[in-house]
Amino acid sequence: GENVGLHLPTLSVQEGDNSIINCAYSNSASDYFIWYKQESGKGPQFIIDIRSNMDKRQGQRVTVLLNKTVKHLSLQIAATQPGDSAVYFCAERGGNNRLAFGKGNQVVVIP
Amino acid sequence: DGGITQSPKYLFRKEGQNVTLSCEQNLNHDAMYWYRQDPGQGLRLIYYSQIVNDFQKGDIAEGYSVSREKKESFPLTVTSAQKNPTAFYLCASSPTNPTNEKLFFGSGTQLSVL
Repeated sequence: GENVGLHLPTLSVQEGDNSIINCAYSNSASDYFIWYKQESGKGPQFIIDIRSNMDKRQGQRVTVLLNKTVKHLSLQIAATQPGDSAVYFCAERGGNNRLAFGKGNQVVVIP
Repeated sequence: DGGITQSPKYLFRKEGQNVTLSCEQNLNHDAMYWYRQDPGQGLRLIYYSQIVNDFQKGDIAEGYSVSREKKESFPLTVTSAQKNPTAFYLCASSPTNPTNEKLFFGSGTQLSVL
């Protein structure tokens, strides 16, 4: 738990800028996708989810985009804050109805 | 204050010892899950339960056991058969219908081998 970000791709972003975190998924039959945020030593925290019949969904300061053609999911964070520094990972629900989790991306916000 | 409580936060296991990780939820969720997280890796499913007195193996169930005697509780035992138990263990819960959506996670237990 203390080293959840070990060897993960890292995105460094200036405070106040927008962040875009990308996720490629593997199963074209996946019908549901979800983004989590995980701070060091803590459990994952739900951010936003989207079903496959949608291509965009917005939350508070976050937007998820789904491109089924290229099996790509992205999370956009507006006006990134220091508290946004964490590991972000996506998950897809495939044919076996289970969630498959990605390894994650480390986001570092530079004050 | 609703949520999922995992205990202990840190746990140490000696060789040949079984240890039990606690997970309690007061969200009235039917489904509960145990995942294992290794550094730089995605979460891997150990066991899950969709209803009291019923549970199924996940992708890496060998060396682990669970019970679901109460809706609120889903303890995980790491047995001596699990040869590489050092990891961060996460418990989660979700409503049953639909399944496997919006899982809520606990704060995790870090298990280490002495």
